[in-house]
Amino acid sequence: DGGITQSPKYLFRKEGQNVTLSCEQNLNHDAMYWYRQDPGQGLRLIYYSQIVNDFQKGDIAEGYSVSREKKESFPLTVTSAQKNPTAFYLCASSSGGGAGGIQYFGAGTRLSVL
Amino acid sequence: GESVGLHLPTLSVQEGDNSIINCAYSNSASDYFIWYKQESGKGPQFIIDIRSNMDKRQGQRVTVLLNKTVKHLSLQIAATQPGDSAVYFCAETNTGFQKLVFGTGTRLLVSP
Repeated sequence: DGGITQSPKYLFRKEGQNVTLSCEQNLNHDAMYWYRQDPGQGLRLIYYSQIVNDFQKGDIAEGYSVSREKKESFPLTVTSAQKNPTAFYLCASSSGGGAGGIQYFGAGTRLSVL
Repeated sequence: GESVGLHLPTLSVQEGDNSIINCAYSNSASDYFIWYKQESGKGPQFIIDIRSNMDKRQGQRVTVLLNKTVKHLSLQIAATQPGDSAVYFCAETNTGFQKLVFGTGTRLLVSP
């Protein structure tokens, strides 16, 4: 998985609960990304971070939050405000944004609602 | 808004055939393109990339062609194998733009 570790592989959320998905990379990449993938669809960008202590909203940030306190870590919290959280969540990292580097992906976390 | 799309959602081929997966993009400012392969339940894997100053780039059994005139990208896989069965995504971006825009994907099914 290119040095990107996502955990857990499967996660279940109860109604009204916040859950946090972990993403760690040992590639020394500056940029990290979170995507959501629904069945049979492409990837939609939730949040991204180009540098430590800075991050930007992607196309579907509502109901999610992130932090970037360390270069190697970019955890994603799915809050209770996200009413349809069931999806496959993918974390990626790259050496730079845009054309600055290829994004490498983790193995994903599959989130389901109980 | 700008988007990347694919012509065919599913492509079925026989083992040993050559496969061609197409992608249309709409952002004329895009200057960098990537193809990813995603197997079921896994994260996307990088296959090959191409910059807009090139028309063609070859890798191992794969070739990417870029036609900027009609904003079209294709991925050719030679001698397709059952292990090539997956969903293939194209993605676009441009210098200074911090995000990749992904297409919806094409499923490649390879029959033995």
